[in-house]
Amino acid sequence: DGGITQSPKYLFRKEGQNVTLSCEQNLNHDAMYWYRQDPGQGLRLIYYSQIVNDFQKGDIAEGYSVSREKKESFPLTVTSAQKNPTAFYLCASSMSEGQYSNQPQHFGDGTRLSIL
Amino acid sequence: QKEVEQDPGPLSVPEGAIVSLNCTYSNSAFQYFMWYRQYSRKGPELLMYTYSSGNKEDGRFTAQVDKSSKYISLFIRDSQPSDSATYLCAMSLYFGNEKLTFGTGTRLTIIP
Repeated sequence: DGGITQSPKYLFRKEGQNVTLSCEQNLNHDAMYWYRQDPGQGLRLIYYSQIVNDFQKGDIAEGYSVSREKKESFPLTVTSAQKNPTAFYLCASSMSEGQYSNQPQHFGDGTRLSIL
Repeated sequence: QKEVEQDPGPLSVPEGAIVSLNCTYSNSAFQYFMWYRQYSRKGPELLMYTYSSGNKEDGRFTAQVDKSSKYISLFIRDSQPSDSATYLCAMSLYFGNEKLTFGTGTRLTIIP
């Protein structure tokens, strides 16, 4: 079945540690996104990528980094510079055939990150 | 003021009732509107999306957009316990824009 796989489901970070969240999709989607979800707030965009080897900052990119070496994969690293990393992280993907042709975004089941 | 306002609830209704979920927004340039359903500890699942004003129906679900009032609604008919979830509205400036602006979500419980 096609879909978006996020791993791990739960992750714990120690102070000063970088952690990497995995996102893989087999939908042949061009565009991939990372969001953060906090209680009482809407989803906020961290980074997005419309094509391999290219990505752009979203609204809250500070303290995060990404790479897009393969179409199927878009890992997110939460660095020690992110002072409030506890949240539910969601990866999404969509078809993209140009600036005005994206299809709706579809989401994975998230990774919950907590601080030890 | 947030760009998208959504009543967080919680909202509890008896099984079989009609549910109305709403969002208001401030940016009149939004043209593309979506509703997502999110079960606990899961990712959002796309329910419906519409372009500009008007209605769209899919089974028990109807999405309405009133751009003149900057108001969107999702109606659920014959509500079922399986509809219990958090419902998120989202919108973007133009079709295909990568930046979605989300509401905070409304938590809905259908009581058997």
